[in-house]
Amino acid sequence: DGGITQSPKYLFRKEGQNVTLSCEQNLNHDAMYWYRQDPGQGLRLIYYSQIVNDFQKGDIAEGYSVSREKKESFPLTVTSAQKNPTAFYLCASSIGGHQPQHFGDGTRLSIL
Amino acid sequence: DQQVKQNSPSLSVQEGRISILNCDYTNSMFDYFLWYKKYPAEGPTFLISISSIKDKNEDGRFTVFLNKSAKHLSLHIVPSQPGDSAVYFCAARLTGNQFYFGTGTSLTVIP
Repeated sequence: DGGITQSPKYLFRKEGQNVTLSCEQNLNHDAMYWYRQDPGQGLRLIYYSQIVNDFQKGDIAEGYSVSREKKESFPLTVTSAQKNPTAFYLCASSIGGHQPQHFGDGTRLSIL
Repeated sequence: DQQVKQNSPSLSVQEGRISILNCDYTNSMFDYFLWYKKYPAEGPTFLISISSIKDKNEDGRFTVFLNKSAKHLSLHIVPSQPGDSAVYFCAARLTGNQFYFGTGTSLTVIP
């Protein structure tokens, strides 16, 4: 079955540590996205990538980094510079044009 | 600044009645609009979409209406069913494949 896999589902981080969230898709989509959702808020774009080896900052990129070395993979690193990292993180992909995004089931990150 | 807004955080509807969820946007360059349904601790799932060149799109019990002059989008669900209870997000796309999401409306369908 084609889809997007995010792992792990729950992640805990100590203060000052970097942590990497995994996102893999087998839909053969060119574009991939990372969003952050906080309680009572919509999805806010962190980074997106239209093609391998290229990515752009979204509205809230500070304290985050990404890489896109393979079409299937778009990992997100939450660095120690991110002051409020506790949130629900969603990865998505799309084929482009007037086609919807497909989402993974998310990773909930908490600070210990 | 929020470019896509859902001003009603919650909505309750009796089973069998119509649910109307609303969404307003500010950017006239959006060319594609979508509605997603989301359950807690899961990713959003795509529900229905509409191109900016149309004003209505229907799929079974779900209809999306677009009023470009008012920069307003609505989702009608009729008849509403208890299984429709979820958070609904509207989203809009800019050329270049960047999507903007509203804050969501929590729909409760009362049996």
